[in-house]
Amino acid sequence: GEDVEQSLFLSVREGDSSVINCTYTDSSSTYLYWYKQEPGAGLQLLTYIFSNMDMKQDQRLTVLLNKKDKHLSLRIADTQTGDSAIYFCAESMGNFNKFYFGSGTKLNVKP
Amino acid sequence: NAGVTQTPKFQVLKTGQSMTLQCAQDMNHNSMYWYRQDPGMGLRLIYYSASEGTTDKGEVPNGYNVSRLNKREFSLRLESAAPSQTSVYFCASVTGEYNSPLHFGNGTRLTVT
Repeated sequence: GEDVEQSLFLSVREGDSSVINCTYTDSSSTYLYWYKQEPGAGLQLLTYIFSNMDMKQDQRLTVLLNKKDKHLSLRIADTQTGDSAIYFCAESMGNFNKFYFGSGTKLNVKP
Repeated sequence: NAGVTQTPKFQVLKTGQSMTLQCAQDMNHNSMYWYRQDPGMGLRLIYYSASEGTTDKGEVPNGYNVSRLNKREFSLRLESAAPSQTSVYFCASVTGEYNSPLHFGNGTRLTVT
């Protein structure tokens, strides 16, 4: 299956942590990605995690993967107004280079 | 390094008109993709080209055609535009190596009246 689910909206205050969640259905996914889309722009890769990892940290970003529940999360520490964007979760199916995207979570950061 | 370049950035068409969206990448990537983005629906794959000379349908190919002109360029054609094709269109490319991430262009915003 290729269903990738995300909640549509998240609103946080500046300085708080944001947690964006994603669920996927295909256990054969090997890489899971987080992309950021700012208004009027394309998608930019934020980070990714290989399916044999549980966690990956990159500065303010922490990715957690629960393979049993097929749940992926992106935590942004000390969220800033510049983090306001749409965040997409995506999975890929091995070396066939097929990618499946969630519907995106719009993060609104209030000053 | 330009990455993935899409033209035009904006386009307004009348129902029934045709147009071609252009995409070029300068990263020597093997695979290229066309997605459309609609509110609340995320990205849906229209067509992709795994390598030069090949193209395949994605989830929503109806009403579109593609051409992989060479390794760099992958165009998307709307033969007879319909209001349902009002969307933001993204081109993307990837090396083709195992699990490398997609690189996206900045999109073409198309309105069909």
